[in-house]
Amino acid sequence: DIQMTQSPSTLSASVGDRVTITCRASQSISSWLAWYQQKPGKAPNLLIYQASSLESGVPPRFSGSESGTEFTLTISSLQPDDFATYYCQQYSSYPWTFGQGTKVELK
Amino acid sequence: QITLQESGPTLVKPTQTLTLTCTFTGFSLSSSGVGVGWIRQSPGKALEWLAVIHWNEDTHYSPSLFRRVTITKDTSKNQVVLTITNMDPVDTATYYCAHRIVAAGMGYWGQGVLVTVSS
Repeated sequence: DIQMTQSPSTLSASVGDRVTITCRASQSISSWLAWYQQKPGKAPNLLIYQASSLESGVPPRFSGSESGTEFTLTISSLQPDDFATYYCQQYSSYPWTFGQGTKVELK
Repeated sequence: QITLQESGPTLVKPTQTLTLTCTFTGFSLSSSGVGVGWIRQSPGKALEWLAVIHWNEDTHYSPSLFRRVTITKDTSKNQVVLTITNMDPVDTATYYCAHRIVAAGMGYWGQGVLVTVSS
């Protein structure tokens, strides 16, 4: 199985901050990576697919990038609606695997 | 507009079989490139992928549940059914179904159903 190591597990930030979350794959997954946002009691919401493609309807303050097996989700200016938990997921090979999540909380 | 809705029991006893149904609208599971997956989340834990079925019957399962889980589709009813045998308290989780397009992520999710395994 491909392991997805996500960091940090918790991130404290303020509105307006630039936030970066990292996900590292245990082996090459090409660009087959997605990022999701999840709020308490709700289903995940797809933000980014294929490492850097913005899902329709997602604000452009969200962006994704990749360097080898390291993937990054960036929120350019954190908004009040962005406090949530974020997950990466590889879909390069089965079984699909998720990172352990990053909770973005108010500093 | 694509929607998905999970349905099934919210309480099962240990050793029983869980059957969950995902009923969807807005797409056809006979269309090329389309798939429906199941994902679960134990309370306070991360997401865990369980299974996926595609338009062409291509099916895959999580090795952690491989011998216990089955996914099937009924294209005429717009439904996907997940079955997990021999349920255990550690299987207590919210179970989600989700729509995906090949090469993209899971863009549409159901609201989830919390299944508790307890005697």
